[in-house]
Amino acid sequence: DGGITQSPKYLFRKEGQNVTLSCEQNLNHDAMYWYRQDPGQGLRLIYYSQIVNDFQKGDIAEGYSVSREKKESFPLTVTSAQKNPTAFYLCASSRGVSSYEQYFGPGTRLTVT
Amino acid sequence: DAKTTQPPSMDCAEGRAANLPCNHSTISGNEYVYWYRQIHSQGPQYIIHGLKNNETNEMASLIITEDRKSSTLILPHATLRDTAVYYCIVRPRQGNKLVFGAGTILRVKS
Repeated sequence: DGGITQSPKYLFRKEGQNVTLSCEQNLNHDAMYWYRQDPGQGLRLIYYSQIVNDFQKGDIAEGYSVSREKKESFPLTVTSAQKNPTAFYLCASSRGVSSYEQYFGPGTRLTVT
Repeated sequence: DAKTTQPPSMDCAEGRAANLPCNHSTISGNEYVYWYRQIHSQGPQYIIHGLKNNETNEMASLIITEDRKSSTLILPHATLRDTAVYYCIVRPRQGNKLVFGAGTILRVKS
């Protein structure tokens, strides 16, 4: 089955630690995205990548970093510089710049204490 | 990107049509209207999109007013599994950025 996988579903970390969230897609999509969702709110764009080895900052990139070494993979690192890292993180992909819909993964709920 | 306004919540009886409104009075000529929904603790799911004509697919219908300043998503026969947050989003044809607002919480009740 084609789709987007995110792992793990739940992640717990201590404050001050960096943590990397995984996102893999087998849809052969060029573009991939990371969003953050806080309770009762909509999604906010962190980073996106339109092609391998290229990525752009979204609206709330501070405290996060990404890489896009392979078409299938777009890991997100939440660094210790992110002041409020506890949130629900969603990865998405789409065919490209002109494609219509983004397909979302199941999400990773990160809790930092 | 044009801003959208949606009611915070709506209720619908199971088996009846659910009509979810969205205002986007500042929409420009090259911007599409998209609808996504998010079931609790899951990733959003694409439903439908349109430019100016009404659209229908296996999930829903999208009615866009002639002046394009508002639209309505119609779920023809709502089921309990349609309970979710529904997001109306406006975005340019060439842009991939989706701007999610707070959406409408639809509660389908038996």
